[in-house]
Amino acid sequence: DAMVIQNPRYQVTQFGKPVTLSCSQTLNHNVMYWYQQKSSQAPKLLFHYYDKDFNNEADTPDNFQSRRPNTSFCFLDIRSPGLGDAAMYLCATSRDRAGGSYNEQFFGPGTRLTVL
Amino acid sequence: AQSVTQPDIHITVSEGASLELRCNYSYGATPYLFWYVQSPGQGLQLLLKYFSGDTLVQGIKGFEAEFKRSQSSFNLRKPSVHWSDAAEYFCAVVPPNSGGSNYKLTFGKGTLLTVNP
Repeated sequence: DAMVIQNPRYQVTQFGKPVTLSCSQTLNHNVMYWYQQKSSQAPKLLFHYYDKDFNNEADTPDNFQSRRPNTSFCFLDIRSPGLGDAAMYLCATSRDRAGGSYNEQFFGPGTRLTVL
Repeated sequence: AQSVTQPDIHITVSEGASLELRCNYSYGATPYLFWYVQSPGQGLQLLLKYFSGDTLVQGIKGFEAEFKRSQSSFNLRKPSVHWSDAAEYFCAVVPPNSGGSNYKLTFGKGTLLTVNP
C-alpha cells in the first residue's frame, strides 16, 4: 500500500545534541509537511516543501531545519534540542497545494521525541 | 480572525450510545473541512472530508458529518459508539483560495473521547 513512513517511531536525545527525524513516502506527492504536536495539543505546522521549494512558517524557531533530497524523502533536523522540543513530530504529504482533493494530507504514524 | 473551534475538550459516552462532536469555523468563505482521529501515541487518520456538494458526508468506521453553512459547523456523528472509538478527534480546515495559504491545514484543539463500558 502507498503510505507515509516515519523513522524512528521513538527517538531519545540529549539536551543540545543534534537529532534527525526521517520521513519517506510512496505516494509520489509533491508536497511534504512537518508538524510538531506537543502533549494534549493540536498539531502545529513547522514548514513544508513544495517539490524542492522550502516554505517556513513564520513562527518556526531557527533551531528547526529540513531537507528534501528527493521526492520520496524529507528530514527534520533539530540542531540543538531543548526540553521544550519534546513532542510528537508528524510528517504529512499531499498531491499538490491546489484546492480540494489535491491538498488532502496523508499523515505518517509520527516520531515521539524525548529530550533528556 | 480565521479559526476553527471545537467547544468540547473532553466527552464521555457509554458504549452503544450516540455521539456528536462539534466543530465550528470562522472564515469568509466555506473552507475545506476534515475530521481526523488520533489514537494514543499514533498519527492522524482521516475519518472524512467535505469539499463541496452533498452536505452529509459518510466516512470510515461508521462516522458521518454534516456541513451546515448557516451555522458554520461541521459536526461529527456516530449512531452507536464502540469502545475502540476512544481517541482524540480533531476537526481541521483548509481555507479555499486564500492567497497562497490554501495548503495550510489548521486544526482545532481536539476533543478527547472516553467510552465507558
